[in-house]
Order: sequence, then structure tokens, then C-alpha cells
Amino acid sequence: DAGITQSPRHKVTETGTPVTLRCHQTENHRYMYWYRQDPGHGLRLIHYSYGVKDTDKGEVSDGYSVSRSKTEDFLLTLESATSSQTSVYFCAISESKVSLAGYNEQFFGPGTRLTVL
Amino acid sequence: GENVEQHPSTLSVQEGDSAVIKCTYSDSASNYFPWYKQELGKRPQLIIDIRSNVGEKKDQRIAVTLNKTAKHFSLHITETQPEDSAVYFCAARWEYGNKLVFGAGTILRVKS
Repeated sequence: DAGITQSPRHKVTETGTPVTLRCHQTENHRYMYWYRQDPGHGLRLIHYSYGVKDTDKGEVSDGYSVSRSKTEDFLLTLESATSSQTSVYFCAISESKVSLAGYNEQFFGPGTRLTVL
Repeated sequence: GENVEQHPSTLSVQEGDSAVIKCTYSDSASNYFPWYKQELGKRPQLIIDIRSNVGEKKDQRIAVTLNKTAKHFSLHITETQPEDSAVYFCAARWEYGNKLVFGAGTILRVKS
């Protein structure tokens, strides 16, 4: 597996509390992504980053914010968690240099299971 | 934006039979289509991918076909084995950026 870790791996929190999930990579890849996975919806992109301090919204960004102050770390914050944000969250990374295939594979982290009560 | 539909949502096959999963996409500018496999409790991992200038690609027991005119692509697994049991996701690259849109997933069960 590519050098990607996520912390925490499991978290239970209450509605209205702030939550921050961390993604850490040791591959020095330029692109980093946050997805949420829910039954029947596959993987949906929340936010992504194309460099330090460069981020953009994905499909389901409402209620989430991100920050990337270093190449290796990408933080996802739920300012005020809601029960609808109960999900499994995956971080992914990809390189920026175009590969022989013309596109670069996204490598996923181990995931964080978040439960909002 | 891009939208990807995936069918069927569940698929049960007998060991040794073939399995086919189909996806359609909406953005005709999409040019890259990967397939990911996710075993229970694990992370998604790339198993095969295809670019829009290629109609078919094979890797041992798995193959992917692409029909650009119809905007659909399919995953074919031959001689299925119990270890093929997993959730499979198709995806399409957005026109801009290194972003993927995923299908909802197919649960494949291979019965021995």
C-alpha cells in the first residue's frame, strides 16, 4: 500500500461538535482527496487539493472544510457534525506527473469510520 | 458535471462462471475510466483502467471494454474464483482536474 495513513480510524461524536480527520502521506504526491462512502452511493468526492494551500470543492462539500498547510497533510473538518455525516471517510492521493498511461492512479488510505449520534 | 451509473447493484455467480458489470457516463469529454475493487473492510484498489482512445484492455482474467459512442464501459471477469467476491466500482475522470466520479458499486458474490 502507498504510504497513506488516516487518523483517527474510528470516531464516535455527538451532533453539533466539531470533528477533524487527518490524512498523512509519505509519497510526496501533489494531489490529495477526501471521499465519503455510503451504501448505494459509492465514493463521493468532498474536497480535493492540488497543492499546498490550493483546494477546491467536490460533489458533496456542504458542511465540510479542508486545509493543506504541508504537502504531506490534508485535514477534513466538520465544523458542526450532523447525523447525515455518519459515514466512512477515505483519503486518496495521486501524483501530478503524467504517467505513461496518461493518467495517475489514485491510492486510497485505510479509511475512518465516523459515527455522529 | 459527470454522472456515472453502474449496474447491477448485486451479482451472484457460480465459481468458474463469468461476471459482467456495466457503467454509463454522461460527460462525453471524459477520457479515463478506472475500475476499483474493495474487499470487506479494506480500502478500494485499482484493478484495471482504460483510456478513451482504446476499445478494450485485458489483464489475465479481467478485461474492460469501452464504447465511446454509447458512453458506456464494462468490466468482464472470467473463470471467477471465491477471492473475486468484493465490491467493484467503476469511475470516470472529470474533464478538468485529476478528479474521478464513481458509480454506486456492485457487490459480486462468487459461490463455490
